Amino acid sequence: GQSLEQPSEVTAVEGAIVQINCTYQTSGFYGLSWYQQHDGGAPTFLSYNALDGLEETGRFSSFLSRSDSYGYLLLQELQMKDSASYFCAVTGSARQLTFGSGTQLTVLP
Amino acid sequence: DGGITQSPKYLFRKEGQNVTLSCEQNLNHDAMYWYRQDPGQGLRLIYYSQIVNDFQKGDIAEGYSVSREKKESFPLTVTSAQKNPTAFYLCASRGGLNTEAFFGQGTRLTVV
Repeated sequence: GQSLEQPSEVTAVEGAIVQINCTYQTSGFYGLSWYQQHDGGAPTFLSYNALDGLEETGRFSSFLSRSDSYGYLLLQELQMKDSASYFCAVTGSARQLTFGSGTQLTVLP
Repeated sequence: DGGITQSPKYLFRKEGQNVTLSCEQNLNHDAMYWYRQDPGQGLRLIYYSQIVNDFQKGDIAEGYSVSREKKESFPLTVTSAQKNPTAFYLCASRGGLNTEAFFGQGTRLTVV
């Protein structure tokens, strides 16, 4: 089976940098991805890592270490609109897409 | 416009009744997924399908059934055997294992 662990809550102030960690266990590995979900809405894709290292997309970056089964999402220059839930997700050998339980990010003024 | 559509947005059913949630995509994606989300919780995988006429159970398949007769459609039936069906149901699709998943807007099912 597959399992992912991430912190349940993170709080930061506007303009700050926040890192959301994710550790995973999986049989086979096709990549780690990150999604954002605002209250009541559908998740939207943020970033994807198949290989070790850092991927940067604007204010968001994502990192992967396959040897450590670990990744993180880095959000810079936080804005109020970044308050949302963030999910890491992994695809394993059975080709299912499994999500973590989510991290609720609260951005304070 | 390409996308993935779930209907209806809100659905109410009496306890003991089966109900079918619709999911349609015109993105030409092979893979489709169904998730359940409870308040303040993550997305739990119910069923997924990699290709037409084939599907696999996810982590919480009991009390649910699916079909994949067409590439565009992946309906989910919540049966009376599902003990606690009230939840937010999300459908997703993606074109490959290394690509992003696109989600529908979800269906909020309330069983009374």
